Amino acid sequence: RKEVEQDPGPFNVPEGATVAFNCTYSNSASQSFFWYRQDCRKEPKLLMSVYSSGNEDGRFTAQLNRASQYISLLIRDSKLSDSATYLCVVNPSGGKIIFGKGTRLHILP
Amino acid sequence: NAGVTQTPKFRVLKTGQSMTLLCAQDMNHEYMYWYRQDPGMGLRLIHYSVGEGTTAKGEVPDGYNVSRLKKQNFLLGLESAAPSQTSVYFCASSYEDTIYFGEGSWLTVV
Repeated sequence: RKEVEQDPGPFNVPEGATVAFNCTYSNSASQSFFWYRQDCRKEPKLLMSVYSSGNEDGRFTAQLNRASQYISLLIRDSKLSDSATYLCVVNPSGGKIIFGKGTRLHILP
Repeated sequence: NAGVTQTPKFRVLKTGQSMTLLCAQDMNHEYMYWYRQDPGMGLRLIHYSVGEGTTAKGEVPDGYNVSRLKKQNFLLGLESAAPSQTSVYFCASSYEDTIYFGEGSWLTVV
């Protein structure tokens, strides 16, 4: 099992729809989890951290399921500007942050 | 408000040439990283450092060397460039688990 796995997509979603994707991780001792967003030919940027109790930031909701070792990202009322690649990030501690390969999202007008 | 700065942004090398990518951060972060990103491969960790004077191998270290002589700088060296090293290179630093990236360096080896 790879350390961090994501469905590469692409997810093609009409504007205004809700979309969700998951990320699984293999190291049960992992401590910290994040979602990053990367636009074409740009550097990744932090979208949100993922907390054990789940957390929300506007239209974005992140959740962690430690028992099943996955995190999820839900985007409500999707906008054209949400089109990007979303990277799952896991920090198992010790300095070696692990990135998933990313899920591509295309919001269709 | 510089954050993480990479130089150069673009470079074309001939096979066998050497070069160094420089990463500088002004946030006093202990941890620094070098990643490469290729289509369909995602970000792959080359080397990282947990503090001044320390370095460690990541997922794909072969063909690269690094140095962290000063806390604010993390250098990535290619001793003998190969076409397989054509990629986008991202430097990053982190504090309390949040990682900050530079804008990337586009390297082409012909």
